[in-house]
Amino acid sequence: NAGVMQNPRHLVRRRGQEARLRCSPMKGHSHVYWYRQLPEEGLKFMVYLQKENIIDESGMPKERFSAEFPKEGPSILRIQQVVRGDSAAYFCASSDDRGRTGELFFGEGSRLTVL
Amino acid sequence: GENVEQHPSTLSVQEGDSAVIKCTYSDSASNYFPWYKQELGKRPQLIIDIRSNVGEKKDQRIAVTLNKTAKHFSLHITETQPEDSAVYFCAASGGTSYGKLTFGQGTILTVHP
Repeated sequence: NAGVMQNPRHLVRRRGQEARLRCSPMKGHSHVYWYRQLPEEGLKFMVYLQKENIIDESGMPKERFSAEFPKEGPSILRIQQVVRGDSAAYFCASSDDRGRTGELFFGEGSRLTVL
Repeated sequence: GENVEQHPSTLSVQEGDSAVIKCTYSDSASNYFPWYKQELGKRPQLIIDIRSNVGEKKDQRIAVTLNKTAKHFSLHITETQPEDSAVYFCAASGGTSYGKLTFGQGTILTVHP
């Protein structure tokens, strides 16, 4: 049973470019969460999605950031016109449909560096 | 919203000693409290969790205690080993979205051989 898969693991972008981060949840999981971790800090919640629906995006910056989880394919976190402050590790996590345990399973993260 | 404070930020112990990390939370509605271990450059991994209907939970060398009245919970690691060295995060969530976690700032634990 494959875990949460994220790609790319490392991404380098210049200021003003776009970054797309992908996340495939664990098999059988339809709840996806994105978290951001700045260097030497804790993880901060960004967005919670289910298939084709954004459930809670209270942690997403109002501009330049968007997320989707289409019916088919991985969840995507998109950052437009990146700035240096976007440099961070972005972790995706998934949980099971019933939420019976609440346990989140994290991917290995995508590390974005903005030059 | 929820706010989680974690102390200490760094903790250094000798192998075999115990380590204790403490967290406080602000939202009385929170009812799920996991602890994650994160090694350098790796993903956070759940090591133990506790729900608000119990006061203590133990798994081998790791235990967590919860005081809902005081809104604090603690991680206890006994007989520490060098491989326990990592960053440890506490977190809290509640309501209908257990996966929306509020994390503490992390504790860098170093276990010296």
